[in-house]
Amino acid sequence: ETGVTQSPTHLIKTRGQQVTLRCSSQSGHNTVSWYQQALGQGPQFIFQYYREEENGRGNFPPRFSGLQFPNYSSELNVNALELDDSALYLCASSLPRGLAAAEQYFGPGTRLTVT
Amino acid sequence: SQQGEEDPQALSIQEGENATMNCSYKTSINNLQWYRQNSGRGLVHLILIRSNEREKHSGRLRVTLDTSKKSSSLLITASRAADTASYFCATDSGNNRKLIWGLGTSLAVNP
Repeated sequence: ETGVTQSPTHLIKTRGQQVTLRCSSQSGHNTVSWYQQALGQGPQFIFQYYREEENGRGNFPPRFSGLQFPNYSSELNVNALELDDSALYLCASSLPRGLAAAEQYFGPGTRLTVT
Repeated sequence: SQQGEEDPQALSIQEGENATMNCSYKTSINNLQWYRQNSGRGLVHLILIRSNEREKHSGRLRVTLDTSKKSSSLLITASRAADTASYFCATDSGNNRKLIWGLGTSLAVNP
């Protein structure tokens, strides 16, 4: 098991609402990445945070936003929820590997259902 | 968008047999990583191979990389029922540390 934790485990929201997902990174890891994984698909990169700043973003609209705190934990916020936002949200922590992506250590995920 | 494409989509073998899955990608990469995902242990990193490496081993896993063909293969030898999982390749290109993932190969190892 990795030392990455996520909360909550499951969440049911209504379309139009807002949601905040939380992640605690593995000890010593200063980089956190967030992914969305729809059923039967591979993870899709949402964004990455390094030392409290956004450090790369995937093809997700601005209503997906995030934060990283001084202890390297992180939040993912999604506003104006849509039905298609229903997915498993994964957080991964890592150490920087220069300009290349490093090995990712994943949390168990938050299963979000939007009705 | 998905960069990697795993092949086959699904694979079913008997315990003790070898399993080979392939990954093709579209653009030049810094490195390629393989991950395993099952319901019990979530998504777990297996192995990372750099663009200047051709082969790498880790226990029962062997990964090859052919950058001229933009492809990689993952070989699991002497498979066990516990290897039942989905296997994903993820590639990193450019300098934004972003991983692009394939759709995965679903492996079933039958006892």
